Order: sequence, then C-alpha cells, then structure tokens
Amino acid sequence: EPEVTQTPSHQVTQMGQEVILRCVPISNHLYFYWYRQILGQKVEFLVSFYNNEISEKSEIFDDQFSVERPDGSNFTLKIRSTKLEDSAMYFCASMAGPSSYNEQFFGPGTRLTVL
Amino acid sequence: DAKTTQPNSMESNEEEPVHLPCNHSTISGTDYIHWYRQLPSQGPEYVIHGLTSNVNNRMASLAIAEDRKSSTLILHRATLRDAAVYYCILRDGYSGGGADGLTFGKGTHLIIQP
Repeated sequence: EPEVTQTPSHQVTQMGQEVILRCVPISNHLYFYWYRQILGQKVEFLVSFYNNEISEKSEIFDDQFSVERPDGSNFTLKIRSTKLEDSAMYFCASMAGPSSYNEQFFGPGTRLTVL
Repeated sequence: DAKTTQPNSMESNEEEPVHLPCNHSTISGTDYIHWYRQLPSQGPEYVIHGLTSNVNNRMASLAIAEDRKSSTLILHRATLRDAAVYYCILRDGYSGGGADGLTFGKGTHLIIQP
C-alpha cells in the first residue's frame, strides 16, 4: 500500500540553526501539507501546497518557515533559524484531490529537538 | 470552521463494541464529517467519513444523526491496537474547502482494557 515517508525520523539541532525536514508524498497525489504537534498538545496545521505554491497557511507559519517541492517527489519544510519552541513532531500529509471526501495520508513524522 | 465537541477520554474492554460520540451543532449543510485517529507515536490516520447517511468500512461504522448535529464512530469489536486518540473533524464541501488543512481538536483518548 502506498505511504507517505519522512526523513529523518529524529533531528536534533542547536537554536538558531537551519533545518530541512523531508517528505516523499504518495505518488500522483496533488495536495501536500505540513502539520506539527508539540508534545502533549493537539496536531496543528501549518501549510498546504498545491500546483507549486502555497494554498493556505496558518498563523504559525511565519517568515522563518518555507516549503518547497524541489523535484517531482520530495516536499520539504525549512525552518531558517530554529527556536526552542519549534521542538515538536512534524507531520507531512498528502491528498489525491480537493474534494471534501478525499482523505489525507500522513507520514510517521519527524521529531525535531531544538537545544 | 464549525466546531466539534468530544469527550476527553473513554474506556472499553477488548472485543467489545465502542461508541465514540461527537457533537457538531453548528455544522453546515455542506460539511463532511471525518474521523481520524492517532495511534501512540504515529501520525494521524483516516478512519471514515460521511455526509448524511450512515457509513461502514473495514475499520469502523459512522452513525450520523438525522439533524446532523451529532455523530458516533462505532468500533464493532475493539482490540488493543485500537487504543488511540480519535478525532472528529468537519470539512467544508463548499468552495473548494476540501483542500484546506485539517483542524484537529483534542479528540477522545480511547483506552482499551484487556
């Protein structure tokens, strides 16, 4: 069964450093998403991406964040200068089409620890 | 976004049915009702969705009230593997809202006793 994959599974970085989280969405899916979940809290939407541009972003997704689909398979989330409060699980998701009955498929997540 | 209300936690015994309720009294006529779950240390996964009629799939059943202001996710025979946080999420079926990001609440933490 096709699945969303994410690398690395765990990333440790120093405050102020740049990190890039990588995702390989399901082939032929057109919509891509990033979510985060701070330990013990709810899953929060960050950004959606379609047709090589951002469709929607939340208040969390400020200028420190950027997303890119550099080739036909990868979808990345970059945090330019990490802060302690960026420590969280980051989930990538993809979806085949825009209909409200389409499901989003989530990856296993990347645990980001900022020291 | 229309809001959903779920109990914080529920407990059930293994191999018994589980009914997880969700209230969504401000649901609009075009909102789909989706359920996702998150197993420990994993990403969320889709369970089931519906609009007006009751729905069944290999994982669960979804019973939707006639006025659509509430719904119930039914696990017919819970196993230990079903222990997870279950989220009831409304998705707008109008104006391309289906492509929007999902809004997760705190969900219901389902505990399964052996």
